[in-house]
Parts: sequence; structure tokens; C-alpha cells
Amino acid sequence: GAGVSQSPRYKVAKRGQDVALRCDPISGHVSLFWYQQALGQGPEFLTYFQNEAQLDKSGLPSDRFFAERPEGSVSTLKIQRTQQEDSAVYLCASSRSGRGYEQYFGPGTRLTVT
Amino acid sequence: GDSVTQMEGPVTLSEEAFLTINCTYTATGYPSLFWYVQYPGEGLQLLLKATKADDKGSNKGFEATYRKETTSFHLEKGSVQVSDSAVYFCALLLPNTNAGKSTFGDGTTLTVKP
Repeated sequence: GAGVSQSPRYKVAKRGQDVALRCDPISGHVSLFWYQQALGQGPEFLTYFQNEAQLDKSGLPSDRFFAERPEGSVSTLKIQRTQQEDSAVYLCASSRSGRGYEQYFGPGTRLTVT
Repeated sequence: GDSVTQMEGPVTLSEEAFLTINCTYTATGYPSLFWYVQYPGEGLQLLLKATKADDKGSNKGFEATYRKETTSFHLEKGSVQVSDSAVYFCALLLPNTNAGKSTFGDGTTLTVKP
């Protein structure tokens, strides 16, 4: 595709519900990143994949957060038992390589937990 | 740890005014530096980058010079337009790590009035 796409663009969940956020990276991009952007702040790193391998998940805030990229392309970020503090914009980015190449960002998914 | 500090906003300017948004960083190693722009409802777009000291990144009339001695990467534009109204993020990336994750500042909101 022309760019990184994410779905849904907006998600409202009741506290305690599970959600799944999808990211379609640019075709052929090896690396995929998830970031969390709270209102009025810059993106914060969550996790990183190189192909299907999750090489860094140090930014995931709790064990309720889980990400996968089983075939090295599409990725899903899952949040279990959502809490109000999970409300944020979740950004996905991809790059040709993790080693210093620029990252291309998707439009984000705005998650609101009520 | 690595960090990026941006001048606090919001910044409001009249059309054709000169723009400076300050950015300083702390990093272990020699990062690449980036400016991203985020228009309302959209994802982050790379505006410009510099990969080594004294490099100048430029795009769409914006410029920033990588100053290692002052650990800074200030964004400038000689004559802003209403269409430049957006949130601007400074970011660093350490290319010699496997993660390749970016560290962002908190963003500076620019509003340009006609």
C-alpha cells in the first residue's frame, strides 16, 4: 500500500473489555513499531518487531498489553481488561530496517475507555 | 536515559513571521535527529532529518542544524503560512541499536493566524 494503515481509527471500549488494534505496514518494511501517545504528549515506545520476531517489548506498560506479528507483515496490538488509563492514541510505524532508517507512521487509533 | 526537550507551546504567530522551535537532547551515543509534523487528525509525518553533527536538514522551507556542541536541533522557518499550523515533534534515534526505537519530545503546537 501507499502508506501505513491502522484500523479502527476510533475505538470506544467499556472498562474491562478487550480490544484489538490492527496495523498494516508499508509493503516490504522489515521493522514495525507500536507507540502510545497520550493527550498533549509525544509518542512513547511500546514494542518493536523485526519481521515476525518481537525484539523489544520493554515499553509495554503491563501484562495486559500484547502484540503479535505472526507472518512478519500485519501486526495486532491487543489490550486485555482495558482501564481508563489506557485511553490514548496508538500509533504504528514501519521502516525498512530498525537500524536507523526513518519510520513511517500510520494515522493512529484513538482508544477511549469509559 | 535518552530524552528530548522541546520548547513549551503553544506558539502563535502571524503569517510571514519567523519561526523557531527549540529542541535539545540527551543521548548515549550519536543519534540521528528528526522533526515530525502532525496535522489535526493525522499521523506523524517526517518533516526533516539530520544524521550527523553539522548536518542541516531542510524541507518545505523548514530547516534544522544538528549541533553536537550544544546538543540541539532547533527548527526554523523564515516565513510561516497558515497551512503550517500543526504540532511539531522533535525526536532522536540511535542507529546502532537493534531496537531502533525513537524517543520523542512532547510536541509544540503552532498556530499561524492570517
